[in-house]
Amino acid sequence: AQTVTQSQPEMSVQEAETVTLSCTYDTSESDYYLFWYKQPPSRQMILVIRQEAYKQQNATENRFSVNFQKAAKSFSLKISDSQLGDAAMYFCAYRGTYNQGGKLIFGQGTELSVKP
Amino acid sequence: ETGVTQTPRHLVMGMTNKKSLKCEQHLGHNAMYWYKQSAKKPLELMFVYNFKEQTENNSVPSRFSPECPNSSHLFLHLHTLQPEDSALYLCASSPSTLSSGNTIYFGEGSWLTVV
Repeated sequence: AQTVTQSQPEMSVQEAETVTLSCTYDTSESDYYLFWYKQPPSRQMILVIRQEAYKQQNATENRFSVNFQKAAKSFSLKISDSQLGDAAMYFCAYRGTYNQGGKLIFGQGTELSVKP
Repeated sequence: ETGVTQTPRHLVMGMTNKKSLKCEQHLGHNAMYWYKQSAKKPLELMFVYNFKEQTENNSVPSRFSPECPNSSHLFLHLHTLQPEDSALYLCASSPSTLSSGNTIYFGEGSWLTVV
């Protein structure tokens, strides 16, 4: 079975600085997608960025980028120029092929605080 | 405004009550999901529907009964719940379950407290 692990329950960053959130996963599949979701106090899960496993190029969305290491099964999120609005829970998630029923498998989450 | 709307946002119910959570998506999707989020635990998938057909029941107790009358609406009927069922219940949707690359969109959740 696939698993997703986030080893940092809490992280803190100074406003305008850069922070990296870690995520590792375990799978025997070769084709899959990885996601980072943000959950602010409103509790709505918002997609931050996604990565296709067959693409070697790391995904980037404005201030958010990933470091995808397929062989190491590592998928970290880098937030540059951190802003107060980035404070939230961040969840790493895995989604396998259609045989998996389309479900997302989540890590435990990392709570990010941003200091002014 | 979110494309996935959940009601009610907060619900308090006794263990002998029967209540329902409602989810509606305005995104034209065909797959809908129920997730449970408890404190200090990862999100747990409960049910998956694809084109109104249930495709996954993740060993959920029968006191939770889902219903998907059409691709836009999903219900979670609750009866004789236990205090440990208190959690945030998140509804989500995606174009279908057949492509793992499709983004899954979430609602804001329904906070359930069982007393």
